[in-house]
Amino acid sequence: GAGVSQSPRYKVAKRGQDVALRCDPISGHVSLFWYQQALGQGPEFLTYFQNEAQLDKSGLPSDRFFAERPEGSVSTLKIQRTQQEDSAVYLCASSFRHNQPQHFGDGTRLSIL
Amino acid sequence: QKEVEQNSGPLSVPEGAIASLNCTYSDRVSQSFFWYRQYSGKSPELIMSIYSNGDKEDGRFTAQLNKASQYVSLLIRDSQPSDSATYLCAVNVGGSEKLVFGKGTKLTVNP
Repeated sequence: GAGVSQSPRYKVAKRGQDVALRCDPISGHVSLFWYQQALGQGPEFLTYFQNEAQLDKSGLPSDRFFAERPEGSVSTLKIQRTQQEDSAVYLCASSFRHNQPQHFGDGTRLSIL
Repeated sequence: QKEVEQNSGPLSVPEGAIASLNCTYSDRVSQSFFWYRQYSGKSPELIMSIYSNGDKEDGRFTAQLNKASQYVSLLIRDSQPSDSATYLCAVNVGGSEKLVFGKGTKLTVNP
């Protein structure tokens, strides 16, 4: 399809495990964003890439969260030593260029037991 | 004060009525403003973007921006039950590309 693709759609992990969430942006989109959405809240910014460069990671909650986009296309958000408060929907979005609208993927619903 | 604030709702309107959704923001240098619709269990879907003061119309949707008052709104004319969703206001803050979202306003359109 032509949209932002995220996998897996659902992930259940035990507390303490590491998880990796994948995002495949719309082809040709330079900017890629990760957001976290808790139930009943709006999405909250985690980090942002322009091509392969991570330009802003101010929203990452702790050093357990790490994101990369090594070739400027697919991105992975990794959470190490997961905790229950990490349970949320993780949304990936991409945009064609600076300040253009962001288009979201379907998200990954992460549940930490 | 939160960076982006929306009416907490919920908002309920009858089918065919006009639904009015409001949003205020705190960063005076914000330049880009977006409205997203989010159905329950789904991801946000872009419905409107606005960058200049005034009105922008797209079908039944009209976005209004007043930078002096730091206010952006969304009007939905001839509301349909399928418009029932949570509407998220999003603003580029601090000249960066990241979006700051409001909590969203849940709209219910009653047949």
